[in-house]
Amino acid sequence: GAGVSQTPSNKVTEKGKYVELRCDPISGHTALYWYRQSLGQGPEFLIYFQGTGAADDSGLPNDRFFAVRPEGSVSTLKIQRTERGDSAVYLCASSSTASGGVETQYFGPGTRLLVL
Amino acid sequence: EDQVTQSPEALRLQEGESSSLNCSYTVSGLRGLFWYRQDPGKGPEFLFTLYSAGEEKEKERLKATLTKKESFLHITAPKPEDSATYLCAVQLGRDDKIIFGKGTRLHILP
Repeated sequence: GAGVSQTPSNKVTEKGKYVELRCDPISGHTALYWYRQSLGQGPEFLIYFQGTGAADDSGLPNDRFFAVRPEGSVSTLKIQRTERGDSAVYLCASSSTASGGVETQYFGPGTRLLVL
Repeated sequence: EDQVTQSPEALRLQEGESSSLNCSYTVSGLRGLFWYRQDPGKGPEFLFTLYSAGEEKEKERLKATLTKKESFLHITAPKPEDSATYLCAVQLGRDDKIIFGKGTRLHILP
């Protein structure tokens, strides 16, 4: 079956602009995670959804970052007033595990964001 | 502070030269430990989940083991196609958050 998909695959924007990154999880997966990965680093947790609600958003770096998952499937990560330091690969992962279980996550290919 | 540390940062091996990658963790309760493989420009690809000390899992030339403080990913007789970054991650016992290490960049020379 289809895996996790992310669009766009690459995004170049200018400092101060607004961007939206989309994630389509594996069908039926209730859990959805967003991560940010800088060069030479492991993925850094941003936010976790269980269904439609954000179960843990403690990794969002500041209030310029926001994510939604209105119908419990597709999720959008929104970044306002982008800064050059936001440049990174944004990864999305989904899991079929309910909260409290062991989350084996399946990752998408990522969106490479470059802020000029 | 919860932490996952991988070593070495990079490793170059000749084809057929077996070795091990280390993942040590200091966390307040472990629910599961994961190994992923990541190729350049791609998302991490799931390899193994380990749940408790003493557990081992194998897949082709890879074997993952877990103790109370660390996990090892053993690579037996590696081939050039095993070249990738190998990521270790732990899921904390108290919530659903997952913490990743920085990874080990493995390069297998033909």
